Amino acid sequence: AQSVTQLGSHVSVSEGALVLLRCNYSSSVPPYLFWYVQYPNQGLQLLLKYTSAATLVKGINGFEAEFKKSETSFHLTKPSAHMSDAAEYFCAVMGAGGTSYGKLTFGQGTILTVHP
Amino acid sequence: ETGVTQSPTHLIKTRGQQVTLRCSSQSGHNTVSWYQQALGQGPQFIFQYYREEENGRGNFPPRFSGLQFPNYSSELNVNALELDDSALYLCASSRQGEGTEAFFGQGTRLTVV
Repeated sequence: AQSVTQLGSHVSVSEGALVLLRCNYSSSVPPYLFWYVQYPNQGLQLLLKYTSAATLVKGINGFEAEFKKSETSFHLTKPSAHMSDAAEYFCAVMGAGGTSYGKLTFGQGTILTVHP
Repeated sequence: ETGVTQSPTHLIKTRGQQVTLRCSSQSGHNTVSWYQQALGQGPQFIFQYYREEENGRGNFPPRFSGLQFPNYSSELNVNALELDDSALYLCASSRQGEGTEAFFGQGTRLTVV
């Protein structure tokens, strides 16, 4: 079975500050990992994905995430927050086979607030 | 390249009624998945369709059913609606294959009263 835990349902930062959103996963097989962003009343937009090619993954809008197998973590970071980054962020895991094939399991989400 | 489109965007139904939600997949994608996102929660996997067959199902009762058509578009049907079915329903399309990313539509907001 696969699962995702996002630590912190709400994160608040000042504009220009570092953004760190935490994600830990559980998977019985080497996972594929994703970060999605959701703006109010909209669907999910893919920020980045990890598929074992490189442990540091760069995504859109200046975001990046590092896969750490020993810590079963895939934290999302951005060096300098912008007001437009305010949204809800979801970490998701997809198993590589069996009943998890093609199925995304999402965390509960983290709402990012950016203060001027 | 057109993205994933869903219709309708909003819907209000009465408990016990039936509803059909529609999804057009992104050009070049042959797999469609449906997710339910309750307020304040992450999306939950309902099921996936590939080659017009159900290809995996989450923990949802049989009154949630679906179809995929030869053009890869899809429908989600929910019978005997319950108040707890009120949620944002998201459709995602992808290419079949390990680790391929899913692209989501804007969702259909279903309210059951």
